[in-house]
Amino acid sequence: AQKITQTQPGMFVQEKEAVTLDCTYDTSDPSYGLFWYKQPSSGEMIFLIYQGSYDQQNATEGRYSLNFQKARKSANLVISASQLGDSAMYFCAMREGGYQKVTFGTGTKLQVIP
Amino acid sequence: NAGVTQTPKFRVLKTGQSMTLLCAQDMNHEYMYWYRQDPGMGLRLIHYSVGEGTTAKGEVPDGYNVSRLKKQNFLLGLESAAPSQTSVYFCATQEALSYNEQFFGPGTRLTVL
Repeated sequence: AQKITQTQPGMFVQEKEAVTLDCTYDTSDPSYGLFWYKQPSSGEMIFLIYQGSYDQQNATEGRYSLNFQKARKSANLVISASQLGDSAMYFCAMREGGYQKVTFGTGTKLQVIP
Repeated sequence: NAGVTQTPKFRVLKTGQSMTLLCAQDMNHEYMYWYRQDPGMGLRLIHYSVGEGTTAKGEVPDGYNVSRLKKQNFLLGLESAAPSQTSVYFCATQEALSYNEQFFGPGTRLTVL
């Protein structure tokens, strides 16, 4: 079974609108961390946001928020007020309790339309 | 501070040739990783290291070897390159024993003809 599943290969959003990128995960470990990274067309990997499995509140970083639904094992990224510069690949990732390894999803390509 | 650097940025090899990719970091992180990125497959872990002198296999280790002789450097070797190894290779580092994010190098685009 896939540990991280991103079911949306590509998405479009109108500039200034909000968009949700889906991520579901699979783990039996009670301790884990969830991450979102952005990869613009220039290729670098940019860390966006982190959510711990024991965190009581959803993580937020500026226009990014993580909609964490533990029982459903989902960790969706919400981008508010989309900007043209948000056009990129977005990867969801998970680190399980052993700290050492991170598993990445296959990514979602987001295109922001003016 | 340079962060995480990778050498070279681009390389074209012929089938059967060998090469070494270098990852260097000045962040004093214990953990280092090599990933490959292929279209539609996200990032897949090749090998990783949790400290100087230690390495371990990841998800797709076949055809690659690694070494971590110094804490700041992590080398990825291809002994006999194959077209299936055409990919973008990323190095990443991470603090030990934490859920902090990984820091990535800029990537190396490798083409094997």
